[in-house]
Amino acid sequence: EADIYQTPRYLVIGTGKKITLECSQTMGHDKMYWYQQDPGMELHLIHYSYGVNSTEKGDLSSESTVSRIRTEHFPLTLESARPSHTSQYLCASSADRGGEKLFFGSGTQLSVL
Amino acid sequence: GENVEQHPSTLSVQEGDSAVIKCTYSDSASNYFPWYKQELGKGPQLIIDIRSNVGEKKDQRIAVTLNKTAKHFSLHITETQPEDSAVYFCAASRRATDSWGKLQFGAGTQVVVTP
Repeated sequence: EADIYQTPRYLVIGTGKKITLECSQTMGHDKMYWYQQDPGMELHLIHYSYGVNSTEKGDLSSESTVSRIRTEHFPLTLESARPSHTSQYLCASSADRGGEKLFFGSGTQLSVL
Repeated sequence: GENVEQHPSTLSVQEGDSAVIKCTYSDSASNYFPWYKQELGKGPQLIIDIRSNVGEKKDQRIAVTLNKTAKHFSLHITETQPEDSAVYFCAASRRATDSWGKLQFGAGTQVVVTP
């Protein structure tokens, strides 16, 4: 069982609110990732990090931002949520040098009204 | 960049029958091919993977085959059980020792095993 945690599991908020999705892992993994999963199931990489103070944008453009101040923590922030941000957000981490063998959290289902 | 296509998008099988999911990839330099299983309300979990120097790998009721020439790989589940019902994702990446190899996921296959 992977030790990667996401909170909250579900979040319903109004348009314009600022939100932060939390992701923490206790495995000491250097690499962490955020994926957006649409209702059609596809996984889209929106952010990743090689390690502390490293963040990169993924393949899918996102208005969200991330930070990596501590190895174990990789929060995602939306400054002003919109209905188009409604989605499932999955956090993952990996230890392998090549970025393989991802361990995923259970996800946060975000609904913006 | 890499493009991974996965078929079918949904698959319904009778309990005890076999299920096969197929993926094709575009980047001939890809050399690592994992499969992930996502159960309802959970994140994807790695169930099996194969590297390009191997043609087939088995783990109990699941197996993966790789055809590098045709650039496709498949997941085989034998003697399916209700707990095999889930969404399955294939993926591909270039595994490099000095750089980060991003996984490119397929679109997923919803497998339903009916008793």
